[in-house]
Amino acid sequence: DGGITQSPKYLFRKEGQNVTLSCEQNLNHDAMYWYRQDPGQGLRLIYYSQIVNDFQKGDIAEGYSVSREKKESFPLTVTSAQKNPTAFYLCASSRAGNQETQYFGPGTRLLVL
Amino acid sequence: EDQVTQSPEALRLQEGESSSLNCSYTVSGLRGLFWYRQDPGKGPEFLFTLYSAGEEKEKERLKATLTKKESFLHITAPKPEDSATYLCAVQAVDYGQNFVFGPGTRLSVLP
Repeated sequence: DGGITQSPKYLFRKEGQNVTLSCEQNLNHDAMYWYRQDPGQGLRLIYYSQIVNDFQKGDIAEGYSVSREKKESFPLTVTSAQKNPTAFYLCASSRAGNQETQYFGPGTRLLVL
Repeated sequence: EDQVTQSPEALRLQEGESSSLNCSYTVSGLRGLFWYRQDPGKGPEFLFTLYSAGEEKEKERLKATLTKKESFLHITAPKPEDSATYLCAVQAVDYGQNFVFGPGTRLSVLP
């Protein structure tokens, strides 16, 4: 079964702590994306990667970092510099090229203790 | 200025009561408009892609249409299981392969 997995489903962050959200896909997609979703707002792009070992900042990259060492994996780290991290985080992937559909994982809800 | 807007923000229907959701966009150089369904606490599920004005796509009780400035998601004889938030996203020349999402319409279908 091809798809995108995200873990954990819920994550709790303490003050000053960095936390990492996992995203894995077995769709053989080249492009991967991280979005943040807050109530009443559209999905906002944090980071994206079109190819292994390369990634670009999205609209709200401050306080976040990513890596893309493998095609299948695109982990997101929420650093202590992100002052308002409570949100629903969504990972997506797509084939390379224009007009390609993005497919989403189940999401991780991050809460601050 | 918001590039993608959706209306209404929330919609409550009785089972069987047909209606339409709107997605308006102001981007130029549209490459594609994408509709997704999102259930509470879950990731968005892809429904349709529309590429050019006049195009229509259908799936069960849902039908999506596209003009040069907006898209409609028509829901015919909805059932309670159609209750969800419906998101639209656009891909345009200015944004490369990236999407710009609207805020969504929260649909409730009452039995």
